[in-house]
Amino acid sequence: DIVMTQTPLSLSVTPGQPASISCQSSQSLLHSDGKTYLYWYLQKPGQSPQLLIYEVSSRFSGVPDRFRGSGSGTDFSLKISRVEAGDVGVYYCMQGIRPPLTFGGGTKVEIK
Amino acid sequence: EVQLVESGGGLVQPGGSLRLSCAASGFAFSLYSMNWVRQAPGKGLEWISSINSRSNVLYYADSVKGRFTISRDNAKNSLYLQLNSLRDEDTAVYYCARDLGHSSGYGPDYWGQGTLVTVSS
Repeated sequence: DIVMTQTPLSLSVTPGQPASISCQSSQSLLHSDGKTYLYWYLQKPGQSPQLLIYEVSSRFSGVPDRFRGSGSGTDFSLKISRVEAGDVGVYYCMQGIRPPLTFGGGTKVEIK
Repeated sequence: EVQLVESGGGLVQPGGSLRLSCAASGFAFSLYSMNWVRQAPGKGLEWISSINSRSNVLYYADSVKGRFTISRDNAKNSLYLQLNSLRDEDTAVYYCARDLGHSSGYGPDYWGQGTLVTVSS
């Protein structure tokens, strides 16, 4: 199974400041179709997870451009350019190249 | 608007069974693969099963293989998960999630609100 490792475990950010989360996979997520199947989700307190980013860098419907995904192969990152109060929660990366789909352990983002 | 509504959770004794349901609306259910993902209390997300649109490709996590069965009824826009031989460690919120379905990869986009399964004597 592909192991997904996220860092840091938690992040405390001043509103308006940037934040960055890293995710590393134990195997390349580059598919033979040329796409890389790395996803980012946010689970806000008391809510279900919501998709932010798919295929490394494509923002899902309604996701503001403050959220930017990047990376390739086995190393990925999610950057929030200016953190807002509504961005608090736990962020998860997930690999979708083949089952079993596996998630990172999560990064909890809080506001200072 | 895509809506996924899970039901069927509850308290069950170890060794017992439950059947979870997920009612889908707001999209062409029969065209999409679907997933079940769970989250134990205070823990992270764990994918447990996927089913393609025609029900001929099924996947399971090792942790549930042989005990859980995923199925769907496209005529009823519904997804199911049969949980047998339940263990304490199966206690979790179970989410139904639609697959983005746009390429060769697998990845949930829309998620339901979840249904809580508690396994305890």
